[in-house]
Amino acid sequence: EAQVTQNPRYLITVTGKKLTVTCSQNMNHEYMSWYRQDPGLGLRQIYYSMNVEVTDKGDVPEGYKVSRKEKRNFPLILESPSPNQTSLYFCASSSRQASSYNEQFFGPGTRLTVL
Amino acid sequence: AQSVTQLDSQVPVFEEAPVELRCNYSSSVSVYLFWYVQYPNQGLQLLLKYLSGSTLVESINGFEAEFNKSQTSFHLRKPSVHISDTAEYFCAVRLNTGFQKLVFGTGTRLLVSP
Repeated sequence: EAQVTQNPRYLITVTGKKLTVTCSQNMNHEYMSWYRQDPGLGLRQIYYSMNVEVTDKGDVPEGYKVSRKEKRNFPLILESPSPNQTSLYFCASSSRQASSYNEQFFGPGTRLTVL
Repeated sequence: AQSVTQLDSQVPVFEEAPVELRCNYSSSVSVYLFWYVQYPNQGLQLLLKYLSGSTLVESINGFEAEFNKSQTSFHLRKPSVHISDTAEYFCAVRLNTGFQKLVFGTGTRLLVSP
């Protein structure tokens, strides 16, 4: 089954304790992206990757890191989490085939609470 | 840069009543338009999309949206809602180029009561 998976689905942590949220897709997609969802703000892009070893900042990258060492994986790293990073996080992926439209598939979300 | 405005943060409606969720966008170039739905405690699902061609697009569960270029709108409608339509709905835009960033609106929570 084609899917985007995220782990963990729920995480409660404390300020300053490094954490990683994993994202994996099995559709051989080139493009992957991380969003955070906050009430009243919708979804905002954190980072994206056009392909292996190619990453770039989205609209709200502060406090986050990403890496893209393999095509299928795109982990989101919070080196020193703070309470304002408490949010619902979504990973998404899509193909970059020559056709101009490629649907983005979303993971199930990771709800992070930073105390 | 593109932007999306969803004016209504919450829309309460009774079952079997019609509903319209409003979406306006801003872009200096051509865009693709989308509606995503998020059911409680679930991820995002694509509800419908406008890429080109007919300005009226429909989903399999009775929703429709009409692209209006002159008013830069992409409102979502359903003639008769069900309890199961209770969810948050997000309008999104994307450039119709290889750059695949989605820009989302702030969402509209549809609350359907019996």
